[in-house]
Amino acid sequence: SQTIHQWPATLVQPVGSPLSLECTVEGTSNPNLYWYRQAAGRGLQLLFYSVGIGQISSEVPQNLSASRPQDRQFILSSKKLLLSDSGFYLCAWSVRRGMNEQFFGPGTRLTVL
Amino acid sequence: LAKTTQPISMDSYEGQEVNITCSHNNIATNDYITWYQQFPSQGPRFIIQGYKTKVTNEVASLFIPADRKSSTLSLPRVSLSDTAVYYCLVESGGGADGLTFGKGTHLIIQP
Repeated sequence: SQTIHQWPATLVQPVGSPLSLECTVEGTSNPNLYWYRQAAGRGLQLLFYSVGIGQISSEVPQNLSASRPQDRQFILSSKKLLLSDSGFYLCAWSVRRGMNEQFFGPGTRLTVL
Repeated sequence: LAKTTQPISMDSYEGQEVNITCSHNNIATNDYITWYQQFPSQGPRFIIQGYKTKVTNEVASLFIPADRKSSTLSLPRVSLSDTAVYYCLVESGGGADGLTFGKGTHLIIQP
């Protein structure tokens, strides 16, 4: 069966510090991968998605970046965090867009102070 | 980009049938309609997906009229554990258009 992992589960970082969140998927090959952010009291916002190694599409201009160094690994990074980067970050995967469900990871709660 | 509109919140009672409607006036020909459920501090979970008419699975039904400009998620005989946020998503086949979940509908089930 397929599983998706995210770490860390929670993170508290000072403003201006770097960020690295990792997501890995097991049990499937060549998945589509997604990073979402959910701010307090708001819906899920798609940040990045990837259809393959090294292929990243950005949906929202911001100080975050994403990379996919391996088929089932997706990394969300920042060089300098802002207060507005606080939120619940979710990684998801799907087999094929438009017709198949997305499977979400447990999420990372990021607080920027 | 097919934008969706849902009620912000709904209340109901245990044992009742709950219907949550989503409007998507700009839905494209190749778009599918998908509903997700999210509990606090968890990722959304797929409930049901459809293209037209009616789809039913073990947890819900999805009704889509002929013009596909709206859809209704029907939850039969809800329980307290159905209290969650429900998102309507319209997905197209290319790019990431439509992958914006919005604020969803906060469903509160009372005893």
